[in-house]
Amino acid sequence: EPEVTQTPSHQVTQMGQEVILRCVPISNHLYFYWYRQILGQKVEFLVSFYNNEISEKSEIFDDQFSVERPDGSNFTLKIRSTKLEDSAMYFCASSDRTGGNEQYFGPGTRLTVT
Amino acid sequence: AQTVTQSQPEMSVQEAETVTLSCTYDTSENNYYLFWYKQPPSRQMILVIRQEAYKQQNATENRFSVNFQKAAKSFSLKISDSQLGDTAMYFCAYVYGGATNKLIFGTGTLLAVQP
Repeated sequence: EPEVTQTPSHQVTQMGQEVILRCVPISNHLYFYWYRQILGQKVEFLVSFYNNEISEKSEIFDDQFSVERPDGSNFTLKIRSTKLEDSAMYFCASSDRTGGNEQYFGPGTRLTVT
Repeated sequence: AQTVTQSQPEMSVQEAETVTLSCTYDTSENNYYLFWYKQPPSRQMILVIRQEAYKQQNATENRFSVNFQKAAKSFSLKISDSQLGDTAMYFCAYVYGGATNKLIFGTGTLLAVQP
């Protein structure tokens, strides 16, 4: 069964450093998403991406964040200058359509900023 | 703005028993979808069940079923014949049926199935 994969599973970085979180969505999916879950809290939407551009973003997704689909398979989230409060689990998801279609989630990347 | 509320932070159930997790939501839209996601200790988010708001019939998936009360904006999850593997965090989620695909999650209910 096709699945969303994410690398690395755990990333430790120092405050102020740049990190890139990588995702490989399901191959025939067209819509891609990033969500964040701070430990012990609910999952929060960050951004959605379609046709090589951002289709929607939350207020969390400020100028320090960017997303990119550098080739036909990868989807990346870059955090330019990490802060302590960026420590969280980051989930990538993909879907084949909008509306109520199922979003398939990856296993997540745990980001720890020290 | 749409919101999703789960009022039970933690619940416990004996193996083989039935448990119901509550969820309420607020929206002014008529076209939307509701989901229950399961997050086991591995942290992977797994879809449990999906409900289209325009369907009156409650969705079921094997041991999992929902009680969807559109007028009351309530969407509870019933797990029958609970198994140890059902131990997980359960999140209720909402998405508007239009062009957006932004999932809005509740705060979750931690379910512990006791042997």
